[in-house]
Amino acid sequence: AQSVAQPEDQVNVAEGNPLTVKCTYSVSGNPYLFWYVQYPNRGLQFLLKYITGDNLVKGSYGFEAEFNKSQTSFHLKKPSALVSDSALYFCAVRPPPLNTGFQKLVFGTGTRLLVSP
Amino acid sequence: SQTIHQWPATLVQPVGSPLSLECTVEGTSNPNLYWYRQAAGRGLQLLFYSVGIGQISSEVPQNLSASRPQDRQFILSSKKLLLSDSGFYLCALTPKAFFGQGTRLTVV
Repeated sequence: AQSVAQPEDQVNVAEGNPLTVKCTYSVSGNPYLFWYVQYPNRGLQFLLKYITGDNLVKGSYGFEAEFNKSQTSFHLKKPSALVSDSALYFCAVRPPPLNTGFQKLVFGTGTRLLVSP
Repeated sequence: SQTIHQWPATLVQPVGSPLSLECTVEGTSNPNLYWYRQAAGRGLQLLFYSVGIGQISSEVPQNLSASRPQDRQFILSSKKLLLSDSGFYLCALTPKAFFGQGTRLTVV
């Protein structure tokens, strides 16, 4: 069964500094990997996904993530953090599509990002 | 483009009352649909998923049930709400992995 780990409950960073939110995964086969952001009392907003191709994936709001197969990681990054980036971030994984059966989308427990002015 | 509609956005219900939350999708056919619950603003717990009309799988035993009467409609229900059913409920679809805006349920 697939699983996702987000080892940090919270990440603190000063505005203008680079940020990294960590994610590691476990899944059979080549994974589909996702990052979402959630603002208070809102649904999850899609940031980016990795399915195949270039290991560095660029997404919304200047975020990017790097797929590392050997380390089974998919860390979220941004070169220069903004105060408005403060939110809850979720990593998710699911196995690749099969001809039959259901591929479950599994989430990490979330990491709260706090960007200070 | 695909969209997900969830309603209501907020709901306050007394203990023991019934519940019906609706999720409808547009712009796609035969999606896989999910209900998640998020407690205390943190992790997402998968409650139900559905691969087609009338096909429901439950992830955890609980006071809730789900139904899929139409291809693009997914309903979360309860006959009698408990205090512990309070939370933020999110509908999602794959393969695009989109989420609705969620329903904040408070059971009082």
